[in-house]
Amino acid sequence: DAGVTQSPTHLIKTRGQQVTLRCSPISGHKSVSWYQQVLGQGPQFIFQYYEKEERGRGNFPDRFSARQFPNYSSELNVNALLLGDSALYLCASSPTRTGQTQYFGPGTRLLVL
Amino acid sequence: GQQLNQSPQSMFIQEGEDVSMNCTSSSIFNTWLWYKQDPGEGPVLLIALYKAGELTSNGRLTAQFGITRKDSFLNISASIPSDVGIYFCAGLFSGGGADGLTFGKGTHLIIQP
Repeated sequence: DAGVTQSPTHLIKTRGQQVTLRCSPISGHKSVSWYQQVLGQGPQFIFQYYEKEERGRGNFPDRFSARQFPNYSSELNVNALLLGDSALYLCASSPTRTGQTQYFGPGTRLLVL
Repeated sequence: GQQLNQSPQSMFIQEGEDVSMNCTSSSIFNTWLWYKQDPGEGPVLLIALYKAGELTSNGRLTAQFGITRKDSFLNISASIPSDVGIYFCAGLFSGGGADGLTFGKGTHLIIQP
């Protein structure tokens, strides 16, 4: 079975631009969560979606938004990019609404110049 | 954002030695997860714990869910070179709604030749 997949693997943007990151969960998983991991830190929770609805949101500004599609794939959008948005963006899928037992994808490395 | 207190920050050990690391929190959790992350990759789930006092093994790895629900421990027996990497603990409190995982800062495991 395929694991969580994310695209693109790497991305370079400039300040003020907008970016869209994509995630496909493990087959049969309806919950997708997004995390930001800056160098030297553990991942920080951004959003959780279950059955196409937002179920949880971390402490991130409104420049960050996400959505989940009928096939349970998800997109993370970040507007008005700042240098500090440079990070590894991780997607995790879970078979349960509460998000227990989350399985991570390989991540998208975003560099903002 | 909130992070768990994970220690030690790094460990330098000889091949064949046993390893112990732990994670503490000021808040209670009802799930504890342990992940390993290699450079440039997403975290890989090692062990999941769902009940206070639970002790679970996965090969040479053993983890425990503390009875106070505020801590967890991971032990690795007879370390081998492929154990090198960053180990993260993560806690989840799913109190009826949904929320994301709270991560520690990681323990860097380095095996000396």
